[in-house]
Amino acid sequence: DAGVTQSPTHLIKTRGQHVTLRCSPISGHKSVSWYQQALGQGPQFIFQYYEKEERGRGNFPDRFSARQFPNYSSELNVNALLLGDSALYLCASSLTAGAYTGELFFGEGSRLTVL
Amino acid sequence: DQQVKQNSPSLSVQEGRISILNCDYTNSMFDYFLWYKKYPAEGPTFLISISSIKDKNEDGRFTVFLNKSAKHLSLHIVPSQPGDSAVYFCAASITGNQFYFGTGTSLTVIP
Repeated sequence: DAGVTQSPTHLIKTRGQHVTLRCSPISGHKSVSWYQQALGQGPQFIFQYYEKEERGRGNFPDRFSARQFPNYSSELNVNALLLGDSALYLCASSLTAGAYTGELFFGEGSRLTVL
Repeated sequence: DQQVKQNSPSLSVQEGRISILNCDYTNSMFDYFLWYKKYPAEGPTFLISISSIKDKNEDGRFTVFLNKSAKHLSLHIVPSQPGDSAVYFCAASITGNQFYFGTGTSLTVIP
């Protein structure tokens, strides 16, 4: 069974550019969450989506946006990139988005470098 | 504001001995806690969880202990094996949705 898949795995952008990261959850999982992991830090929550609706948003600026498609895949968009956006972006899926969704299943991440 | 803290960035243990990884949290509303293991170039992998109604949960060589009064949880690995060498993250949530992660502890098990 395929796990959580993310693309691209690595990318380099320059300041001011825009980036789109993609995620396909485990088959049957309806919830997708996005996390940012800066170097030497733990993952930080950005968004959670369930059934195409935003269920939670972390403390990130409006330059960050996301959406979920009918097939439960998701995109994370970041506009006007800053050097500080350089990080590993992790997508995680879970079965539901109600209370106690259970563990998150993470993809391998998209490594974004902003120059 | 770091609501989940792992104050030991690294830990070295001899193979066969016990590894104890610690985690502290500040938000008393947290009611669900997890441990994740991460190898280089891979995403975090779920290890074990515990809800706030319990104080202990075991799964094979892994046991998580929760002390709500001290806002502290720990992961015990017995016996430690070289394949356990990885970065371990603790995470906490309210109702199991948005998770707050610690900064991780790098465990090295020496053969």
